[in-house]
Amino acid sequence: NAGVTQTPKFQVLKTGQSMTLQCAQDMNHNSMYWYRQDPGMGLRLIYYSASEGTTDKGEVPNGYNVSRLNKREFSLRLESAAPSQTSVYFCASSVGRRTGELFFGEGSRLTVL
Amino acid sequence: DQQVKQNSPSLSVQEGRISILNCDYTNSMFDYFLWYKKYPAEGPTFLISISSIKDKNEDGRFTVFLNKSAKHLSLHIVPSQPGDSAVYFCAAMGKGGGADGLTFGKGTHLIIQP
Repeated sequence: NAGVTQTPKFQVLKTGQSMTLQCAQDMNHNSMYWYRQDPGMGLRLIYYSASEGTTDKGEVPNGYNVSRLNKREFSLRLESAAPSQTSVYFCASSVGRRTGELFFGEGSRLTVL
Repeated sequence: DQQVKQNSPSLSVQEGRISILNCDYTNSMFDYFLWYKKYPAEGPTFLISISSIKDKNEDGRFTVFLNKSAKHLSLHIVPSQPGDSAVYFCAAMGKGGGADGLTFGKGTHLIIQP
C-alpha cells in the first residue's frame, strides 16, 4: 500500500534555483494538500486542491505554485528558491475537503543555500 | 496569533504509566479536533478525533477528552508503551469549514522511558 508518495525525499538548492516537488496518491482521494513544517512550528498549509481541477492558497502561499495534474497527482513548484523556503514539505490527501483526517507522505527535506 | 497551543514541547513518561498530552485553543468556531502522531523521518498519521458534540472519545489505549468551556482538550495514553515515543500534534477545524482550515499546534515530543 503506497498511500501518498513524495519525491524527492531530499534536495539541496542554491538561492534562485527552481524545482518541483512531486506528490501522488493511490487512494482515490479527492482533496490534496501541501504543508511545510519548520523547527518548533506546527504544520502550515501552503496550497490545497479540494478536488481535481481546483487549487487554492493556504496560509503561506508566497513563493510557491501548484498544479493538480490529475486526481492522483499534485505538484508544488518553487520558481526562485530562497533560504526562507528551507523546510520539510509534506503532501497529504483526504477523501474530501470536509474531513480532517489527512493521509501524509513521508516528507521532502529541502535546503536552500 | 496561535489559535491552537501545545504548551509542553516535551514530556517524559515511564513505560506502563499514563501519558497526558494537553492542547488549548482560542477560536470558539472550532468544532472538530484531531490528534496526529509523527515519528522521525515519517509523515504524521491520524490518531484519534473528537467532535464538539462529545466530551470523550476512546480508541483502545487512546482517549481524547474535550472541555469546551475551558477550550481545552487532552490525549490520554494508557498504558504508555515504547512505541508511543513520537511527536503528537493537536489540530482543530471550524464549523462549516474544511481540512484547508485545519490549524495545527506546534507539537509535544513524548518520550517513553523504559
